[in-house]
Amino acid sequence: AQTVTQSQPEMSVQEAETVTLSCTYDTSESDYYLFWYKQPPSRQMILVIRQEAYKQQNATENRFSVNFQKAAKSFSLKISDSQLGDAAMYFCAYANSGYALNFGKGTSLLVTP
Amino acid sequence: KAGVTQTPRYLIKTRGQQVTLSCSPISGHRSVSWYQQTPGQGLQFLFEYFSETQRNKGNFPGRFSGRQFSNSRSEMNVSTLELGDSALYLCASSPLTGVDNYGYTFGSGTRLTVV
Repeated sequence: AQTVTQSQPEMSVQEAETVTLSCTYDTSESDYYLFWYKQPPSRQMILVIRQEAYKQQNATENRFSVNFQKAAKSFSLKISDSQLGDAAMYFCAYANSGYALNFGKGTSLLVTP
Repeated sequence: KAGVTQTPRYLIKTRGQQVTLSCSPISGHRSVSWYQQTPGQGLQFLFEYFSETQRNKGNFPGRFSGRQFSNSRSEMNVSTLELGDSALYLCASSPLTGVDNYGYTFGSGTRLTVV
């Protein structure tokens, strides 16, 4: 079974600074997808960024980027120019094509003024 | 474009009762998945429906069931509720089955409390 590990239960960053959230996963598959989801107090899971394992180029979405290290099975999320609205739980997730999302336990991000 | 709609938002039930939760996917999406979120177990996959057929199922007891209608709306049913069923139940929709090129769009969930 695939497992996703987020080793940082809580992280804190100052507004306008950069923060990196860590995620490692375990799989024997070569084709898969990785995601970062954000869950604010409103409870809705919001897709932040996704990465296909066959793509070597790291995905980027505005202030959000990932560092995908396939051999190391690592998938970290970098948030640049942090904003107060970035405060939320962040979940790393893994999925094979056609199968369900496997989520990590989450990292709570606090953004301070 | 309307998002994924889950009703009700909050629900309180008594142990032993049954409950039905509803999920309306984004228009045009044919896949609906259900997840249970608890502080202890985190997010766990319940099942996925595509074109009215269950495609995948997580490791939950038979008390948890679901169905999908021809308009892609889905319902999840939990019978003989236990205290441990208290959780946030999230629904997610996707244009096609599986994650592939689209990923999932989630609703805001139904908070179920069993007393």
